[in-house]
Amino acid sequence: AQRVTQPEKLLSVFKGAPVELKCNYSYSGSPELFWYVQYSRQRLQLLLRHISRESIKGFTADLNKGETSFHLKKPFAQEEDSAMYYCALRERGGATNKLIFGTGTLLAVQP
Amino acid sequence: KAGVTQTPRYLIKTRGQQVTLSCSPISGHRSVSWYQQTPGQGLQFLFEYFSETQRNKGNFPGRFSGRQFSNSRSEMNVSTLELGDSALYLCASSLAGQINEQFFGPGTRLTVL
Repeated sequence: AQRVTQPEKLLSVFKGAPVELKCNYSYSGSPELFWYVQYSRQRLQLLLRHISRESIKGFTADLNKGETSFHLKKPFAQEEDSAMYYCALRERGGATNKLIFGTGTLLAVQP
Repeated sequence: KAGVTQTPRYLIKTRGQQVTLSCSPISGHRSVSWYQQTPGQGLQFLFEYFSETQRNKGNFPGRFSGRQFSNSRSEMNVSTLELGDSALYLCASSLAGQINEQFFGPGTRLTVL
């Protein structure tokens, strides 16, 4: 079955501490992985996608096919990083934009 | 350039009624997807339209339907509303290909009493 798992509902860290938001997936084909973020009172927006292999706002994520994981990391958390983070996957190369989302992790960065 | 817009933003209905939600994609975007967001189930894919054709459909009952018009605007309809249909309904649009980013609207908050 196609599934995205985010084991933590809430992750609370202090400003300046490292952050790792976990994401594991189950997918039989060739997936494309994403991280979406929703700041308070704002729309859901794309943070990064694995095929871009870029760092956005200091966040990086590496696709580990062996462990079927796509964890989101940032070395030093900032208060403005506080938001809801969703991991999602899509069939790569398919004719659809259908996204399968995890249940999300609320990141709270304390001052 | 204007973002994805959804109307209405809030809606209150009673069980058994039907409802129509509207989504206007970003100008030039031809793909529109709909998602249901609830505290219990999270974000779940409803359907996707591309050039007025349904390209994919999620695991929702037939009470949930949608359509896309020639100007790419999309509507979704829910008939015979149930309490469990209370949710935030999100619409996302993108250009034609998968390489392009999907942009989400603010959502329509539906409450079924």
